[in-house]
Amino acid sequence: DAGVIQSPRHEVTEMGQEVTLRCKPISGHNSLFWYRQTMMRGLELLIYFNNNVPIDDSGMPEDRFSAKMPNASFSTLKIQPSEPRDSAVYFCASTPLSLAGELFFGEGSRLTVL
Amino acid sequence: KQEVTQIPAALSVPEGENLVLNCSFTDSAIYNLQWFRQDPGKGLTSLLLIQSSQREQTSGRLNASLDKSSGRSTLYIAASQPGDSATYLCAGTGGGADGLTFGKGTHLIIQP
Repeated sequence: DAGVIQSPRHEVTEMGQEVTLRCKPISGHNSLFWYRQTMMRGLELLIYFNNNVPIDDSGMPEDRFSAKMPNASFSTLKIQPSEPRDSAVYFCASTPLSLAGELFFGEGSRLTVL
Repeated sequence: KQEVTQIPAALSVPEGENLVLNCSFTDSAIYNLQWFRQDPGKGLTSLLLIQSSQREQTSGRLNASLDKSSGRSTLYIAASQPGDSATYLCAGTGGGADGLTFGKGTHLIIQP
């Protein structure tokens, strides 16, 4: 298996633009997580899905952030409008067993908002 | 809300030494615990997973243990090598709907 696949790996955009990050989980995994990593705050859980259904989005910072999982093999994290403080590395991870299985991470999407 | 503390934040040791990284949780009700390694500019690589019924796990030169009563975990690295240089993160979940909570990591440098 190719592992968790994220795109784009790097994105540089200007404040106010819409950003869409994409994730393909490992085939057969039924839980998907979006994390954000910054130097100041470390890794923060934004949202997670179980069987394509959002379970906990309490970590989503504000209404500018939204996430979808239309099917078992694809998820998006959208920021609209983007702000400089959104600059971070965004990671997607998946696991075969909700909250109990081993978590596998993608390589991350490094976002820079100017 | 679960908080995770990792000590030390940074560590530099000569090659060949055995070392211990520490992780503690404010809520000792840990369902499972996972140790990760992160290289600069890369994602997280899972090292060891301790599930709810387990107390420790071993993989090669790595051994991780979990003491639920005290809410502490340790990662033991034997005979350290320069290739072990990375940031090591621990993460735990209490089950339910809180997901994995991460510590900020220990930045480890093994001097050749």
